[in-house]
Amino acid sequence: AQSVTQLGSHVSVSEGALVLLRCNYSSSVPPYLFWYVQYPNQGLQLLLKYTTGATLVKGINGFEAEFKKSETSFHLTKPSAHMSDAAEYFCAVSALGGGSQGNLIFGKGTKLSVKP
Amino acid sequence: GAGVSQSPSNKVTEKGKDVELRCDPISGHTALYWYRQRLGQGLEFLIYFQGNSAPDKSGLPSDRFSAERTGESVSTLTIQRTQQEDSAVYLCASSLRGQDSYEQYFGPGTRLTVT
Repeated sequence: AQSVTQLGSHVSVSEGALVLLRCNYSSSVPPYLFWYVQYPNQGLQLLLKYTTGATLVKGINGFEAEFKKSETSFHLTKPSAHMSDAAEYFCAVSALGGGSQGNLIFGKGTKLSVKP
Repeated sequence: GAGVSQSPSNKVTEKGKDVELRCDPISGHTALYWYRQRLGQGLEFLIYFQGNSAPDKSGLPSDRFSAERTGESVSTLTIQRTQQEDSAVYLCASSLRGQDSYEQYFGPGTRLTVT
């Protein structure tokens, strides 16, 4: 069965600093991996996804993530944090992988705070 | 075009009452998912609908939970005899196809509080 672990329920960075949000997954099949962002009182919005091909994936708002099979990781990064990046971030893996049903297994989320 | 909408946005109910939550998916999306988000937790999958196929109910936590969807339109999630542990945000998502390569679009959720 698939699972996702997000290290750190809260991360705080200064504006302009590097953002690094960690995600490790467990999957018995090649995974599809996703990062979603949730702003206060809003639904989840897809930041980026990895399905196949290039392991470095670029998403919206300057975020990117790298799929590392050997480390079973899919960490999210952004070179320079903006105040508007303050939100909760969820890593998710596809339940079955490989073009199957598609319900997602989510991590518990990491709340990002950005200090001025 | 319009995104996924959910109603009500907030619902407070007494323990033991039944509640019904509604989801309007994006027009043309054949797949629809319900998730539950408890405080401080990630999202838990509840149920999945794909077109006219039988739904996947494997995530429903108990027989008090049920959901319906007519064709590729509105879905309702019903919780009978609500308990305090049912308090959570219930999120609905739809996607063009029921495959994991397709993006899921989430609604804003219904915050359910059971007193």
